[in-house]
Amino acid sequence: SQTIHQWPATLVQPVGSPLSLECTVEGTSNPNLYWYRQAAGRGLQLLFYSVGIGQISSEVPQNLSASRPQDRQFILSSKKLLLSDSGFYLCAWSDGAGQETQYFGPGTRLLVL
Amino acid sequence: AQRVTQPEKLLSVFKGAPVELKCNYSYSGSPELFWYVQYSRQRLQLLLRHISRESIKGFTADLNKGETSFHLKKPFAQEEDSAMYYCALKLGSQGNLIFGKGTKLSVKP
Repeated sequence: SQTIHQWPATLVQPVGSPLSLECTVEGTSNPNLYWYRQAAGRGLQLLFYSVGIGQISSEVPQNLSASRPQDRQFILSSKKLLLSDSGFYLCAWSDGAGQETQYFGPGTRLLVL
Repeated sequence: AQRVTQPEKLLSVFKGAPVELKCNYSYSGSPELFWYVQYSRQRLQLLLRHISRESIKGFTADLNKGETSFHLKKPFAQEEDSAMYYCALKLGSQGNLIFGKGTKLSVKP
């Protein structure tokens, strides 16, 4: 069966420090991968999605970037964190064959101080 | 522009009462809509999709193209229904979803 992992679960970082959040999927191949930010009162905002290795699409301009170095690995990064980057980050995958259901990871809570 | 609107941030009902979580959308194409749910300390997960016309955990949702709505309904709410509910609209063929801001449902005993 398919599983999706995210780490770390919680992260506290100072302003200006770099960021790397990792997401990996098991049990499927060539998935579509997504990064969302979930903020109180603002719902889920799609940040990036990827339909294949090295293919990244950005939905909103921001301080973050994403990479997909392997088929089932999706990384969210920043060179210098801002206070406004604090939030709950969710990774999700869907079947690249066109199935609509997205399966979400447990999320990473990021606090930038 | 594509948009999903959930007008209620919080909906509080008593156990056994009917519940309706509202969702309206704006989309120029043929819409595909979903409801996702996040129970306390659990992952966000799919509840139901309009294309399946299914009832999950007693919940149903009917797509009304005339009113551009996809409201989630349950005739008798249970305490275990308390959760955060998100309405989502699929864009294009790649499966990208636009989510509403969510409605927190609280079912009181």
